[in-house]
Amino acid sequence: AQKITQTQPGMFVQEKEAVTLDCTYDTSDQSYGLFWYKQPSSGEMIFLIYQGSYDEQNATEGRYSLNFQKARKSANLVISASQLGDSAMYFCAMREAAYGYQLIWGAGTKLIIKP
Amino acid sequence: NAGVTQTPKFQVLKTGQSMTLQCAQDMNHEYMSWYRQDPGMGLRLIHYSVGAGITDQGEVPNGYNVSRSTTEDFPLRLLSAAPSQTSVYFCASSSRDGASYEQYFGPGTRLTVT
Repeated sequence: AQKITQTQPGMFVQEKEAVTLDCTYDTSDQSYGLFWYKQPSSGEMIFLIYQGSYDEQNATEGRYSLNFQKARKSANLVISASQLGDSAMYFCAMREAAYGYQLIWGAGTKLIIKP
Repeated sequence: NAGVTQTPKFQVLKTGQSMTLQCAQDMNHEYMSWYRQDPGMGLRLIHYSVGAGITDQGEVPNGYNVSRSTTEDFPLRLLSAAPSQTSVYFCASSSRDGASYEQYFGPGTRLTVT
């Protein structure tokens, strides 16, 4: 079974609009963490935001926020006021006790911001 | 701080050849890992290490070996390259300190096996 599911292979969004990228996960651990990374066309992996399973508040980092719905096992990334530079691949990933807390990744969503 | 460095940036191998991808970090991180990223896909964990002298297999370990003799270095060895190993390889490190275990990535090595 897929541990991390990103159901949107690609999205087009108008500049300045908000965008939500979907991520659902599967784990039986009580303690786990969820990450979002951005990969621009240059190829590097850029950390965006982290949510721990015990965190009561949704994580926020500047224009990024994580909509964490634990009961639904959902960890959607919200980007407010999108910019042309937000065009990139976005990956959701989870750490759990298996594999020494290393990350298991979704297939990604390609986000294109239209001017 | 250089962060996580990887060499080489690009490599072309013939089927059956062996080689070592180098990874080093200068942040004194306990955890290091290797991932591969195939075109249009997410990353998959190959091997990881939780400290010097300790390594373990990830999701897709076959055809690869690792060792961790120092905290800083975590080389990945391809034993007998196959076209299926054509991929971009990322090395990452993270610390046990802090709640998130945020991973810091190297720039990647693009490997083509012909």
